[in-house]
Amino acid sequence: SQQGEEDPQALSIQEGENATMNCSYKTSINNLQWYRQNSGRGLVHLILIRSNEREKHSGRLRVTLDTSKKSSSLLITASRAADTASYFCATKTSYDKVIFGPGTSLSVIP
Amino acid sequence: DAGVIQSPRHEVTEMGQEVTLRCKPISGHNSLFWYRQTMMRGLELLIYFNNNVPIDDSGMPEDRFSAKMPNASFSTLKIQPSEPRDSAVYFCASSLSTGLSYNEQFFGPGTRLTVL
Repeated sequence: SQQGEEDPQALSIQEGENATMNCSYKTSINNLQWYRQNSGRGLVHLILIRSNEREKHSGRLRVTLDTSKKSSSLLITASRAADTASYFCATKTSYDKVIFGPGTSLSVIP
Repeated sequence: DAGVIQSPRHEVTEMGQEVTLRCKPISGHNSLFWYRQTMMRGLELLIYFNNNVPIDDSGMPEDRFSAKMPNASFSTLKIQPSEPRDSAVYFCASSLSTGLSYNEQFFGPGTRLTVL
């Protein structure tokens, strides 16, 4: 079973709209990270939120973490066509071992 | 910094052949990870090293897979013999780990392996 699972699996929005992706996990974590993967490329780290944090911002990205519900959300505001990519949450389950979820495929239509 | 370097970028081979994938982590990073990505199974962690020592290889699918890290600047993932179901994109990533903290991983561009 997945440690981290994103939903929805796929999301299609118009440019300028906000995109929200969710991640649920099963075990206790020290932190949770979000990554982006453009087609044919490696993953790129976006943002890290620690277990004692509830919200974090980075540019147009906003991440929330609810440890009681074992869930996180990634909000991309004012989306752009260049935001089209797959987004993964990653959780740490033990010393430097990371589990990635299956990802959310985001399409931003110009 | 050149980032994580992987070679080759593409590899096409025939079933039964030996395949060696190479990775050069970012200088100064002490953790190295090998992942495999397929449509069916998503991104899977195969093995990771810390200070050149394999810490967890539970993700290595079979004995046909082996990985080495002879020094801090080089790692290989070998498949022998290769099978069509090994076709995937293999990513190497590195990070700087301090104690039990988990820091961001920097991914290489991947090696797309096709086994015919």
